Amino acid sequence: NAGVTQTPKFQVLKTGQSMTLQCAQDMNHEYMSWYRQDPGMGLRLIHYSVGAGITDQGEVPNGYNVSRSTTEDFPLRLLSAAPSQTSVYFCASTATGRSTDTQYFGPGTRLTVL
Amino acid sequence: AQSVTQLDSHVSVSEGTPVLLRCNYSSSYSPSLFWYVQHPNKGLQLLLKYTSAATLVKGINGFEAEFKKSETSFHLTKPSAHMSDAAEYFCVVSEPDDYKLSFGAGTTVTVRA
Repeated sequence: NAGVTQTPKFQVLKTGQSMTLQCAQDMNHEYMSWYRQDPGMGLRLIHYSVGAGITDQGEVPNGYNVSRSTTEDFPLRLLSAAPSQTSVYFCASTATGRSTDTQYFGPGTRLTVL
Repeated sequence: AQSVTQLDSHVSVSEGTPVLLRCNYSSSYSPSLFWYVQHPNKGLQLLLKYTSAATLVKGINGFEAEFKKSETSFHLTKPSAHMSDAAEYFCVVSEPDDYKLSFGAGTTVTVRA
């Protein structure tokens, strides 16, 4: 199993550009999440999904859209990038909604918005 | 709502000496607690987790943490630091039956030779 994969690893955007960060998992996990990591703030939840067709907002959802058309994929879309969205983005998945289950994190995408 | 406070943003230790990373949590329920480590330019790795079983939890690479409900703390320790322990450490909390995680701000560990 590849686990959780994220593409691209690095991306530079100009303000106002759009892009999609890809996240895929091959473990048949129902629960997937997107986090952003900023210095001195830890990781903060952007959006999450409890299964195909179901998404919801986390702590910092503004400026981001998500969809979940399949169990495997959970893309994160930036419609109009802003410098405040410069961050490292992590995708995570877990098999069930229980906190006792292990969460698997992807390697991250480092995004810079100029 | 749950939250986590990591009491030290940076800890510097000499190789071979003990490491202590402090974490206090706030939760309305009996939480699950985790410690994750992130080495430079790497992803997140789970060190250990507490899920209402034994209060002293042993993790990988010689780390352990003790859950103290009366003090709402979950401090991470290691008896003898190695150079490879230089990394950023995150204390994380989640409510029972909830997979969404709340991260602390992180503690950067520097190990001096």
